[in-house]
Amino acid sequence: LAKTTQPISMDSYEGQEVNITCSHNNIATNDYITWYQQFPSQGPRFIIQGYKTKVTNEVASLFIPADRKSSTLSLPRVSLSDTAVYYCLVGQGDSGAGSYQLTFGKGTKLSVIP
Amino acid sequence: NAGVMQNPRHLVRRRGQEARLRCSPMKGHSHVYWYRQLPEEGLKFMVYLQKENIIDESGMPKERFSAEFPKEGPSILRIQQVVRGDSAAYFCASSRGAQSVEQFFGPGTRLTVL
Repeated sequence: LAKTTQPISMDSYEGQEVNITCSHNNIATNDYITWYQQFPSQGPRFIIQGYKTKVTNEVASLFIPADRKSSTLSLPRVSLSDTAVYYCLVGQGDSGAGSYQLTFGKGTKLSVIP
Repeated sequence: NAGVMQNPRHLVRRRGQEARLRCSPMKGHSHVYWYRQLPEEGLKFMVYLQKENIIDESGMPKERFSAEFPKEGPSILRIQQVVRGDSAAYFCASSRGAQSVEQFFGPGTRLTVL
């Protein structure tokens, strides 16, 4: 499974756009990139998934350059309630054994400041 | 439509006792996954089950830990003769299929071993 590297923590003021970048140099051809969000004392929650270029949903955007060695989660106009840990996961791309095993790193702890 | 349910939310056990953690997947989901999260760490995959079958238990410690997902009733993660190192948050997730884009997580059970 591809290893991911992301900042340990980030601070942002309310109303700003937040971009969290994840490095995954060893991503495989059939790997997808998925982001989860976890609030304190809760289970992770799926945010977005992509394979290449740009994906957007009602919560966030995901930017993936052509070489796919990194990805950036973009949260528009964050609020205090976006304070959470954000995990970048790589995998799930093949139908073989283990593709369902979500591999979480330590994530990025985002603190939104009023 | 209720989400993934786990109980108890908090469980305290003394060393040597047994811990039983329960998970009811989302309605219509027949795939269940258990993860363990140590403080300040990401989630680690433990086991994947379908109804009455263990599909992958590669992340489960070889001794004292077992899991089941009976035809009727919730999935159970059982830890026998608990030790202090078992103290962690245990999360259950479910999905409609093994290759589903996202897994839906429950709120977790926080196990404290005294």
